[in-house]
Amino acid sequence: DAKTTQPNSMESNEEEPVHLPCNHSTISGTDYIHWYRQLPSQGPEYVIHGLTSNVNNRMASLAIAEDRKSSTLILHRATLRDAAVYYCILRDGNTGNQFYFGTGTSLTVIP
Amino acid sequence: KAGVTQTPRYLIKTRGQQVTLSCSPISGHRSVSWYQQTPGQGLQFLFEYFSETQRNKGNFPGRFSGRQFSNSRSEMNVSTLELGDSALYLCASSSLAGAGFNEQFFGPGTRLTVL
Repeated sequence: DAKTTQPNSMESNEEEPVHLPCNHSTISGTDYIHWYRQLPSQGPEYVIHGLTSNVNNRMASLAIAEDRKSSTLILHRATLRDAAVYYCILRDGNTGNQFYFGTGTSLTVIP
Repeated sequence: KAGVTQTPRYLIKTRGQQVTLSCSPISGHRSVSWYQQTPGQGLQFLFEYFSETQRNKGNFPGRFSGRQFSNSRSEMNVSTLELGDSALYLCASSSLAGAGFNEQFFGPGTRLTVL
């Protein structure tokens, strides 16, 4: 799987939007972009995924650049419960269910 | 539906011993993957099983092995434990095999400490 690059840490004020960037310049045409987050003392949990078009769900939005070499996870209103490590992962459907996690972005939400 | 369960949640072993960890996937899920999480290396893929067959394997020594039963429950075994095997071991289940779009559901993990 192709690698991703994320900032090590970010801060956000509570109730404000958060934009978490991810670079994946070597993405291939069949790679899906997944975001997972890991709250303290828990296993990772699914946030959102997309292939080419922007995606929205109840948790977040995913904005994918036109050339697909970068993407941004958007949390519309950060809450204290959103403090976690966010992982951006590329997955090729032909290579199985393994995820290759990078270092992720540690999000701190300031009350 | 019940989530992914892992037992035990905490385990303390000494060097040289072996350990077996268990994972019960979400009902109906046939794919189970295992990951090791350490502060230094982060989350690393160990192996994946689907319908009792190992489909993929990460870059870990042969001391790490696994298996999957007909009811999709999976176990992983680590023999001849080393201090560096101290980690959080996570199990994830998925309903599909190898589809780039499907999500994985992670369990809470088993915290293994090797003394």
